Amino acid sequence: EAQVTQNPRYLITVTGKKLTVTCSQNMNHEYMSWYRQDPGLGLRQIYYSMNVEVTDKGDVPEGYKVSRKEKRNFPLILESPSPNQTSLYFCASSLSGVWGDSNQPQHFGDGTRLSIL
Amino acid sequence: QKEVEQNSGPLSVPEGAIASLNCTYSDRGSQSFFWYRQYSGKSPELIMSIYSNGDKEDGRFTAQLNKASQYVSLLIRDSQPSDSATYLCAVNGGGDYKLSFGAGTTVTVRA
Repeated sequence: EAQVTQNPRYLITVTGKKLTVTCSQNMNHEYMSWYRQDPGLGLRQIYYSMNVEVTDKGDVPEGYKVSRKEKRNFPLILESPSPNQTSLYFCASSLSGVWGDSNQPQHFGDGTRLSIL
Repeated sequence: QKEVEQNSGPLSVPEGAIASLNCTYSDRGSQSFFWYRQYSGKSPELIMSIYSNGDKEDGRFTAQLNKASQYVSLLIRDSQPSDSATYLCAVNGGGDYKLSFGAGTTVTVRA
């Protein structure tokens, strides 16, 4: 089954304790992306990756790191989490980021609800 | 200034009516436009994409794009209770691979 898998689904942690949210896709997609969703603000892109070893900042990258060492995995790292990073996080992938070429649906993971105390 | 703006909603329509959702964007270079549907507690799913001016129809959904007015809309005809969800407008600037979303409009279809 084609899917994007995020782990953990829920996490409560404390300020300053490094954490990693994993994301894996099994569709051989080149493009992967991380979003956070907050009430009233919609989805905001944190980082995206066009392919292995190629990443770039989205609209809200501060406080986050990513890596893309393998095509299928795109972990999100919070080196020193703070309460303002409490949010619902989504990982997504698509065949490519060339949006204008064709109907390019992004496949979203089920989300990770992160609470930082 | 926010890049993608949507009607704040919520929008309540009777079953069988047309729901009309609006979205404006600030980047004139935007080339690709998407509508996603998100049910409560679920992840977004793509329902429509549109790339050129005019209308695009897919079943009960019609997307309309006017690049001169920087405006994209979604019409849901014959609304059903299963259409009750939050609808997110997303825009790609064309110059990079970022995707910007609006805050979403919540639609409730009442039986």
